[in-house]
Amino acid sequence: DVKVTQSSRYLVKRTGEKVFLECVQDMDHENMFWYRQDPGLGLRLIYFSYDVKMKEKGDIPEGYSVSREKKERFSLILESASTNQTSMYLCASSPQTGGSTEAFFGQGTRLTVV
Amino acid sequence: ILNVEQSPQSLHVQEGDSTNFTCSFPSSNFYALHWYRWETAKSPEALFVMTLNGDEKKKGRISATLNTKEGYSYLYIKGSQPEDSATYLCASDSGSARQLTFGSGTQLTVLP
Repeated sequence: DVKVTQSSRYLVKRTGEKVFLECVQDMDHENMFWYRQDPGLGLRLIYFSYDVKMKEKGDIPEGYSVSREKKERFSLILESASTNQTSMYLCASSPQTGGSTEAFFGQGTRLTVV
Repeated sequence: ILNVEQSPQSLHVQEGDSTNFTCSFPSSNFYALHWYRWETAKSPEALFVMTLNGDEKKKGRISATLNTKEGYSYLYIKGSQPEDSATYLCASDSGSARQLTFGSGTQLTVLP
């Protein structure tokens, strides 16, 4: 089974802190994604990566950065956490094929910024 | 940004009832339509990936249809059970850089 693991289920951070959310997948997938989920808004794409050291902005990249130094690991960084970044963060991965393939998700990290 | 919309936003049904939800998406630049089920405290899991107009897929009591010309998909659950309680998400793949655009989901509660 594909496994996507996020480093924390729950996280509480203070405003202004630098926050790292880690995601690891064990199926050698090329594509990795970071989403945030807020009530009534669905999943919104923050950043994605289709190869090591490659990154692309999603729909809401402001206030975030990412790092992909190894194929299996995709990190989301909140440079200076703010209260409006309180949310559920989901990591996902998918293989690079010629067609549209399902995404495999981690269990989510619920981040609270106080 | 593509606009993917789902309705209803939430739904309560009695055990044994059949139910359905709608996902609408822009029909231009369509590549694929995904359905996911997201149970509380778990990861979202894929139900279906659909690409062809008129496609119908089935997994147990759950089925989905796709109309790419008018830009909608229906998800049906026959004989709902409490374990079907979850948020059902649809996502449109426009083929652009492998991004999925998600709707806001339909939250289903099946009452015993």
